[in-house]
Amino acid sequence: SAVISQKPSRDICQRGTSLTIQCQVDSQVTMMFWYRQQPGQSLTLIATANQGSEATYESGFVIDKFPISRPNLTFSTLTVSNMSPEDSSIYLCSVEENGGNTEAFFGQGTRLTVV
Amino acid sequence: GENVEQHPSTLSVQEGDSAVIKCTYSDSASNYFPWYKQELGKRPQLIIDIRSNVGEKKDQRIAVTLNKTAKHFSLHITETQPEDSAVYFCAVGSSNTGKLIFGQGTTLQVKP
Repeated sequence: SAVISQKPSRDICQRGTSLTIQCQVDSQVTMMFWYRQQPGQSLTLIATANQGSEATYESGFVIDKFPISRPNLTFSTLTVSNMSPEDSSIYLCSVEENGGNTEAFFGQGTRLTVV
Repeated sequence: GENVEQHPSTLSVQEGDSAVIKCTYSDSASNYFPWYKQELGKRPQLIIDIRSNVGEKKDQRIAVTLNKTAKHFSLHITETQPEDSAVYFCAVGSSNTGKLIFGQGTTLQVKP
């Protein structure tokens, strides 16, 4: 299975600032996704990171707030912009290796606290 | 869009007993049904999955059953052990999109 490195692992940020989270995979993967897990809650899909084109966002998430880049098949970034305390969550990247025909693996997550 | 309901939200069993967690979904086009275990402070780990062309799958003490007609699937853990204590999430996906929609989670406590 793919090895996923996500960084930073945690951060404490001031409201109004932005944080960029990186996700690096040790092999080329077809699909990459970003999820949010609010404290004590389940995982919610933010968007699908598309290689070479704009990300596909789920309902309730917009590009201005969560810009995503995916310059190649092994790397993606998620930016949380103009942060507020409500953005305090764990953010996880996920990859699928074979175009949706195999299991999804998660990075270790980024624990974000906004003060 | 897809809607996934998971029950119960909490489950407490004695060591050695069985535990069952159930999920229902709404989109009949969904064809991939994984289960994840998440220990405190850690990432979700895939423990078992099933695809729509199979009704049941077993891996040692863990099994998953799928009823596509009724749109529900269940996780069965037998001979539970204290190390099975964690939060379990079901998810529903489609091989077309690759994305997963998660259930609300079940906190399983196995008492020694």
